[in-house]
Amino acid sequence: QVHLQESGPGLVKPSQTLSLTCTVSGDSVSSRHYYWNWIRQPAGKGLEWIGRVYSGSITSYNPSLKSRVTISIDMSKNQFYLNLGSVTAADTAVYFCATMGTMGYWGRGTLVTVSS
Amino acid sequence: QTVVTQESSLTVSPGGTVTLTCASDTGAVTSAYYPNWFQQKPGQAPMPLIFSTNNKYSWTPAHFSGSLLGGKGALTLSGVRPEDEADYYCLLYFGAVGVFGGGTKLTVL
Repeated sequence: QVHLQESGPGLVKPSQTLSLTCTVSGDSVSSRHYYWNWIRQPAGKGLEWIGRVYSGSITSYNPSLKSRVTISIDMSKNQFYLNLGSVTAADTAVYFCATMGTMGYWGRGTLVTVSS
Repeated sequence: QTVVTQESSLTVSPGGTVTLTCASDTGAVTSAYYPNWFQQKPGQAPMPLIFSTNNKYSWTPAHFSGSLLGGKGALTLSGVRPEDEADYYCLLYFGAVGVFGGGTKLTVL
């Protein structure tokens, strides 16, 4: 069983960079079986796919966020990361890390509030 | 920006059957879009139900099934139970980019 756990600051100031970590246990982030995704959900709203990384370094991003997003992996720590730059209040949401496809595992999510 | 559309809300009686659909503004949904379905209950993370159109996870209840129907992705619940009341989201892939539908609020009444 693969377990994912999000971590990071719960409060980020406008114009700064939101940085989150997803720690994976039960399997390796270097495994080619998994696509490692970030998804977010503003309060009371639907899910938004942010992007994913797989095979160590191949990334794809939501076009509406692409200019501000970077997703990366650290195999030595068995973690993957989300960096979202130039944040505004509209980026306030619960952020989830997850695998998709044949291996469907999600973290519990972490609330990030953008406020001064 | 590609738009994926789901019914905003549906109501079904216990024991009944209901089909939720997932449409793309680019045209017919096919297996090449790898439709995924998720269930989300209040305060919880989404739970994956279906991947690649009609494949279930080990934890997917037997009365859920996925398919393609009339050019859309579809999730059918047969013999609906009160605990199936939840929000349901579909996810389609357009090449390497995923797009969620807006979600369907399913009421069991």
